[in-house]
Amino acid sequence: DQQVKQNSPSLSVQEGRISILNCDYTNSMFDYFLWYKKYPAEGPTFLISISSIKDKNEDGRFTVFLNKSAKHLSLHIVPSQPGDSAVYFCAASEGGGNTPLVFGKGTRLSVIA
Amino acid sequence: NAGVMQNPRHLVRRRGQEARLRCSPMKGHSHVYWYRQLPEEGLKFMVYLQKENIIDESGMPKERFSAEFPKEGPSILRIQQVVRGDSAAYFCASSIGPSGANVLTFGAGSRLTVL
Repeated sequence: DQQVKQNSPSLSVQEGRISILNCDYTNSMFDYFLWYKKYPAEGPTFLISISSIKDKNEDGRFTVFLNKSAKHLSLHIVPSQPGDSAVYFCAASEGGGNTPLVFGKGTRLSVIA
Repeated sequence: NAGVMQNPRHLVRRRGQEARLRCSPMKGHSHVYWYRQLPEEGLKFMVYLQKENIIDESGMPKERFSAEFPKEGPSILRIQQVVRGDSAAYFCASSIGPSGANVLTFGAGSRLTVL
């Protein structure tokens, strides 16, 4: 039973264009959401987060959108750069307590020069 | 200011042997989490520890796996009598507080191969 789903295993985007990575969740108790980026042979690194009291959070080229009614969030990268090529994991938690982060299976982004 | 340190980075064991994976959290972090990533899968939570306490081990297999985070020294994930299905990347993460409200910082992982 996957509580966090990333239905696209891979995505290819041209350099300079927008990358949109999607994530759906089923647990209505989730209220804190994060995106992590992972390069091969390295650990995941934190990218951006959003709490359920917001519907958008922006940090430079990265913006995360949250649609609570649809239980959906997305990560936008504009403009995409070759160095953005990595696996992106969506994660969620119930917030504030001791519940662990639940991760999706990841989406492999390839940015083509 | 070192990040989360994991060792060994690579470990090869034969079936039936024991594997010990170590994790030193970031300075100032007292919350440690272990996750496992199987090939082509996401990260699966295994166990959450604070110093000398296991807070949540709901993701840990009931047999052969154990974890500790002693008062002094690194956190250790121990796998006894390893089987081929234990081959995976094991990631440790630490945070300053519970993961519900804090960002986890991950180590580079320990890749276990069981022959």
